[in-house]
Amino acid sequence: QAGLTQPPSVSKGLRQTATLTCTGNSNNVGYEGAVWLQQHQGHPPKCLFYRKNNRLSGISERFSAARSGNTASLTITGLQPEDEADYYCSAWDSSLSAWVFGGGTKLTV
Amino acid sequence: QVQLVESGGGVVQPGTSLRLSCVASGFTFTNFGFHWVRQAPGKGLEWLAVAWSAANDKYYAESVKGRFTVSRDNFRNTLYLQMNSLRVEDTAVYYCARDRGDEEFDPWGQGTLVTVSS
Repeated sequence: QAGLTQPPSVSKGLRQTATLTCTGNSNNVGYEGAVWLQQHQGHPPKCLFYRKNNRLSGISERFSAARSGNTASLTITGLQPEDEADYYCSAWDSSLSAWVFGGGTKLTV
Repeated sequence: QVQLVESGGGVVQPGTSLRLSCVASGFTFTNFGFHWVRQAPGKGLEWLAVAWSAANDKYYAESVKGRFTVSRDNFRNTLYLQMNSLRVEDTAVYYCARDRGDEEFDPWGQGTLVTVSS
């Protein structure tokens, strides 16, 4: 099943800015946007943003989400050690009638 | 508080069946859809299925269609995943996650580990 494309890894320094991308097509990301999830090692995933780019309550304002065409992006400013995690995007694919996930990006701070 | 608790995982042989459960609490179960998502050891997330309140409003990943069946008991506030003809490659942590339609994949349960091995 076709998935979304995320870079496998991104490495940034403390207090720098990281932008993670998620590329799909007009049937998924371009259709209704993407959800962004964060997963720390050994823990279940946690939703950061819903598809309409709404930040969940309790998520730091250092995190922001955007979409341009078929690509969604997650930007984290002022990187902190606790931001080191795996980040996944997911979108509903209208042609597959299924949700698809990206392969995840491992962010190293 | 809002909580999802999965159970039913374990070690099983290839070709056998297993049923996972996800018990929800702290909210009105019938107002939400629920996903099953799995994660093989060291790998990424794989979406499996979603079940909405209406009896036949379910969707599956192509990879498990015909082998896995999602169902829900709205009286017991429980989501199920019936897994048949299990394969070694089905070894994973299985998570359930809630969906309100405009608030997706929030929250997740802690997961239950399924190991398929001979």
